[in-house]
Amino acid sequence: EDKVVQSPLSLVVHEGDTVTLNCSYEVTNFRSLLWYKQEKKAPTFLFMLTSSGIEKKSGRLSSILDKKELSSILNITATQTGDSAIYLCAVEAITNTGNQFYFGTGTSLTVIP
Amino acid sequence: ETGVTQTPRHLVMGMTNKKSLKCEQHLGHNAMYWYKQSAKKPLELMFVYSLEERVENNSVPSRFSPECPNSSHLFLHLHTLQPEDSALYLCASSQVFQDPNSPLHFGNGTRLTVT
Repeated sequence: EDKVVQSPLSLVVHEGDTVTLNCSYEVTNFRSLLWYKQEKKAPTFLFMLTSSGIEKKSGRLSSILDKKELSSILNITATQTGDSAIYLCAVEAITNTGNQFYFGTGTSLTVIP
Repeated sequence: ETGVTQTPRHLVMGMTNKKSLKCEQHLGHNAMYWYKQSAKKPLELMFVYSLEERVENNSVPSRFSPECPNSSHLFLHLHTLQPEDSALYLCASSQVFQDPNSPLHFGNGTRLTVT
């Protein structure tokens, strides 16, 4: 059965800390891995990773995929209170009818001043 | 503004009511999705419409009935729901059968409470 596992489930850090969120997967016909940030409403897209070992970066956030280990990490440096959110990992699989997206339970990050 | 608009934002309904959730995407995508998000669970895919045809059902109870009249609009019709159906219902869209890949784009969701 296809699945996506995220760890830790929740995390509390102080402003300025660096955090690393993990995502591992077992999915047939893997196409890409995606990270989303969800505050109160719509998950917002952060990164899409398709190739192993190539880091994607956006400001203080970065992510990398390891296809050999079937995993990805999301790093956030110099955390701010505005980074408090649930971070969702999703894996896209190819099907003959389009794309299928499998989600993890998310990591709840709380950044305290 | 997310490009995917959902209404209503909140809905409270009794178990005998009938209501509908609406989703509209302004991104020109060719696939639309309904997801259910409950506390401490992964997003659960309920329905997928790809090129206006339903391609995934995922054993969703018949009290949930989707409708996709065109590639920009998606509905979820609800009737005789149970309290355990209370959750955040998210609509999403993407572009399938293309390269490069398209991520899912989500709406803000409808927070449903069944009393």
